[in-house]
Amino acid sequence: GNSVTQMEGPVTLSEEAFLTINCTYTATGYPSLFWYVQYPGEGLQLLLKATKADDKGSNKGFEATYRKETTSFHLEKGSVQVSDSAVYFCAQIQGAQKLVFGQGTRLTINP
Amino acid sequence: DTGVSQDPRHKITKRGQNVTFRCDPISEHNRLYWYRQTLGQGPEFLTYFQNEAQLEKSRLLSDRFSAERPKGSFSTLEIQRTEQGDSAMYLCASRPNRAGGSETQYFGPGTRLLVL
Repeated sequence: GNSVTQMEGPVTLSEEAFLTINCTYTATGYPSLFWYVQYPGEGLQLLLKATKADDKGSNKGFEATYRKETTSFHLEKGSVQVSDSAVYFCAQIQGAQKLVFGQGTRLTINP
Repeated sequence: DTGVSQDPRHKITKRGQNVTFRCDPISEHNRLYWYRQTLGQGPEFLTYFQNEAQLEKSRLLSDRFSAERPKGSFSTLEIQRTEQGDSAMYLCASRPNRAGGSETQYFGPGTRLLVL
């Protein structure tokens, strides 16, 4: 079945470092792809999304490009802040109904 | 704020007891979803409603679980004869009833269940 695999955490970086969180998917067809973020004590929030190949989603300095050839949707940010500390989930939509999530990557940014 | 709300936020119960959770979606969102998230894992789909109709159920939803959305607005998720393995965060999400899979699902804060 369709699945999402993301890099295992936890990931710890210093402030202003470059961030990459890898995400790959398996799917029949071309699903829409999402990154959700879960800040401490809060619910899941959509960070960005891309609906077709070569689309780039972006928000709050984060970017991810839908790569059909490598079935990937890696999350990047050029300069992270302490406030970016959270758990990040990559997900795909399956059958236009349910989200299929990766296992999540916990990110900690140290000042 | 008119986001997705869930009640209660936390529930501690003893094994064998029944529990019921409530989800109020964003107004005018026809589609409502339930997910379950265990520690260190991503959310897993449980079930989905379009208006009052329950259109899909995951194999994770054993016969001890039942979900309803009687008037097409709020939804309830009941777990009967709870087991320790039911301990998890139960998440509700809603989205508009527009065609296509790219529409964003908006999540509530979740109900954290602990079965002792």
